[in-house]
Amino acid sequence: DVQMTQSPSSLSASVGDRVTINCRASQSIAKYLNWYQQKPEKAPILLIYGASGLQSGIPSRFSGSGSGTDFTLTISSLQPEDFATYYCQQTYVTPQLTFGGGTKVEIK
Amino acid sequence: QVQVQESGPGVVKPSETLSLTCNVSGGSVSSFHWSWIRQPAGKGLEWIGHIYNTGRIDYSPSLKSRLTMSVDTSKNQFSLKLSTVTAADTAVYYCVREWYTSGWATFDYWGQGTLVTVSS
Repeated sequence: DVQMTQSPSSLSASVGDRVTINCRASQSIAKYLNWYQQKPEKAPILLIYGASGLQSGIPSRFSGSGSGTDFTLTISSLQPEDFATYYCQQTYVTPQLTFGGGTKVEIK
Repeated sequence: QVQVQESGPGVVKPSETLSLTCNVSGGSVSSFHWSWIRQPAGKGLEWIGHIYNTGRIDYSPSLKSRLTMSVDTSKNQFSLKLSTVTAADTAVYYCVREWYTSGWATFDYWGQGTLVTVSS
């Protein structure tokens, strides 16, 4: 199995802050990495695919980077609606499409 | 626009079989690939398995011995059966469309999720 480790597990930030969330794979997954946002009691929403592709309809303040084993999700200027939990997911190794443990972004 | 909606019993007894159905609207179930994902309360996401429109089915290795997935094209739905459940199977279960965007596999349309509690 490919293990996906996110850091930090939670963070506190203010509106307007630049936020960075990290995701590390236990083996190389090339760029087969997606990011999702989940708000309480809601289903996740796809933000980024292929490590850096912005899903249609997602604001440009969200960006992704990385390849191999290390990946980053960046929110350039945090907005009130961005307070949520973020998950990375690898799709390189099937049939186990594993998710990271999540990073909760909270209001400072 | 594709929409998916889970349905099934909210409570299942230990050792029994959990059965869920996902109704698809806005498209044909046979045109796409479908996954099931679950999330225990307060925890992260776990991929359970998927069924492709080619008929290929893959299950999570940790659940494979208890899982069955199928598609019913006449009802435009797909289903999940998980046998011999325990309290550890208590979770919100999501049905999800698996879509290839620019060649990358993604989960782009999610149901609202249905809570299944394993309890006697």
